[in-house]
Amino acid sequence: GAGVSQSPSNKVTEKGKDVELRCDPISGHTALYWYRQSLGQGLEFLIYFQGNSAPDKSGLPSDRFSAERTGGSVSTLTIQRTQQEDSAVYLCASSQQGYEQFFGPGTRLTVL
Amino acid sequence: ILNVEQSPQSLHVQEGDSTNFTCSFPSSNFYALHWYRWETAKSPEALFVMTLNGDEKKKGRISATLNTKEGYSYLYIKGSQPEDSATYLCAFGRNTGKLIFGQGTTLQVKP
Repeated sequence: GAGVSQSPSNKVTEKGKDVELRCDPISGHTALYWYRQSLGQGLEFLIYFQGNSAPDKSGLPSDRFSAERTGGSVSTLTIQRTQQEDSAVYLCASSQQGYEQFFGPGTRLTVL
Repeated sequence: ILNVEQSPQSLHVQEGDSTNFTCSFPSSNFYALHWYRWETAKSPEALFVMTLNGDEKKKGRISATLNTKEGYSYLYIKGSQPEDSATYLCAFGRNTGKLIFGQGTTLQVKP
């Protein structure tokens, strides 16, 4: 079946603008994760959705970041008033709880 | 704060060499230990998910061991090939499902 998809693949925006990144997980996967990789850094956890439970937002770097998951499927990560330090590759992954995560191709965000 | 440490940070080996890396993690409330391979310009791909103390898993020339009591896992690559060049990530999970990733070991295999 189809893997995890993300859109857009690349996004260039101006400082101060809002952006929305989308993730379509594998059908039937109950868990969905957002990560980011900044230049020269490792994989940084942002937020985790599991079923109908309240999301674990402990990794969101500031209140400019938010995410939602509608209908237990598609997720949108929103960054308000983007800053240059938000430039990174944003990765989404989905899994059955406790099992391996399947990653999407990522969205490369560049904030000018 | 949960800390997952990987060593070495980077490694350069010759084609045909065997190599291994270490992942250390908290030994309390263990649920699972994941290994992923992350090639440049691609997304991370799962290699192994290990849940039991003493687990050993193998996929081709790559194998991994797990010691949950002392909190470490080893990843071994036998007879490294240039296509093994990648960053190898380990991730520690508790029963919440959330994974904490290490910084990775970047392997470069020279032909």
